[in-house]
Amino acid sequence: SQQGEEDPQALSIQEGENATMNCSYKTSINNLQWYRQNSGRGLVHLILIRSNEREKHSGRLRVTLDTSKKSSSLLITASRAADTASYFCATSRLGGTSYGKLTFGQGTILTVHP
Amino acid sequence: GAGVSQSPSNKVTEKGKDVELRCDPISGHTALYWYRQSLGQGLEFLIYFQGNSAPDKSGLPSDRFSAERTGGSVSTLTIQRTQQEDSAVYLCASSLAGRSLIFGPGTRLTVT
Repeated sequence: SQQGEEDPQALSIQEGENATMNCSYKTSINNLQWYRQNSGRGLVHLILIRSNEREKHSGRLRVTLDTSKKSSSLLITASRAADTASYFCATSRLGGTSYGKLTFGQGTILTVHP
Repeated sequence: GAGVSQSPSNKVTEKGKDVELRCDPISGHTALYWYRQSLGQGLEFLIYFQGNSAPDKSGLPSDRFSAERTGGSVSTLTIQRTQQEDSAVYLCASSLAGRSLIFGPGTRLTVT
């Protein structure tokens, strides 16, 4: 079962605008990761934020984490048509046996119009 | 190889038949994971192998599902007596210990 909830489920924007996606989760975590998926196939790891971090940047990506609210956000700045994809958050449970044993959210479908 | 590879890319099978899905991880990656993605359930963890340790099978949905990893490299996910609800994309990922997952392109399984 999916513990993560993401909103919005779908987001449509124009090139150059910023896109913000949110994720909520239910259990205590070691870290939270964001993945991107094109065309319903392989996932690509974007960024990881640890439970003791509040914000992290990578290129045009900015991730925030609020463990008190059990929520995270992914901001993509200056979006491009090539950013069109599904974006998933995934959590690694605190005390879990594996870094890669992840619980995924339902995902946000981002469409960037040229 | 340069990435994680999976075969076949697509598989159509009749209900009740057995299927085998293959994953070739990145050379040297000690951890290997199977996930499944379906419309109804989203992305779900199935099973995890780490080195020579016993696999974590906690995500396997029923005893019809099994997986093995031979020689610490190639893995095969077997589904016996397939059901229509088994239709999904099966994703394999590998990683070095404590590093992010590298996913393969997936196998799309359709049970008719």
